Amino acid sequence: EAGVTQSPTHLIKTRGQQATLRCSPISGHTSVYWYQQALGLGLQFLLWYDEGEERNRGNFPPRFSGRQFPNYSSELNVNALELEDSALYLCASSLTGATEAFFGQGTRLTVV
Amino acid sequence: QKEVEQNSGPLSVPEGAIASLNCTYSDRGSQSFFWYRQYSGKSPELIMSIYSNGDKEDGRFTAQLNKASQYVSLLIRDSQPSDSATYLCAVNEIGGATNKLIFGTGTLLAVQP
Repeated sequence: EAGVTQSPTHLIKTRGQQATLRCSPISGHTSVYWYQQALGLGLQFLLWYDEGEERNRGNFPPRFSGRQFPNYSSELNVNALELEDSALYLCASSLTGATEAFFGQGTRLTVV
Repeated sequence: QKEVEQNSGPLSVPEGAIASLNCTYSDRGSQSFFWYRQYSGKSPELIMSIYSNGDKEDGRFTAQLNKASQYVSLLIRDSQPSDSATYLCAVNEIGGATNKLIFGTGTLLAVQP
């Protein structure tokens, strides 16, 4: 059974540009979570999607947004990129109502 | 702000010893607790889940939960160099529109051969 997959693995963008990150959850999982992990720092909660709806978001500015598609895959969009957005972006999935979450391999975003 | 706290380490133990990792959390209503292992440059891997007070054993790993004292710990027996990683404690915050894992900053474990 395939795990959570994220694409791309690495992404290099210029300050001010937009970045789009993608996530495919484990088959059967309907909840998708996005986390940011800046170098040397902990995981910061970004967004939670379930059954196609945004259910909760963390303390991030509105230029961080996303959506979940009918097949439960998800994308994270970051607009007007800033240098401090450089981080590992992690997607995790779980069954609806469950609490165990499994992570993808992450997308390393570098803003130059 | 609900918090999960861990000693950042590094925690250094000799090969074959028991490594003890600790975590405290602030939300008394938390019900689900997890330990993730994260190798440098990689994503977190779920290694243990615990939901009720007491001990839960899985191979060389034992998770311990004490809700009254609001702490959860992870013991690694017969530590191996391959166990060297950052261990993340996570607590699930559920309520209303909220369902998210809150992570501690992790404890770096170094197992010396």
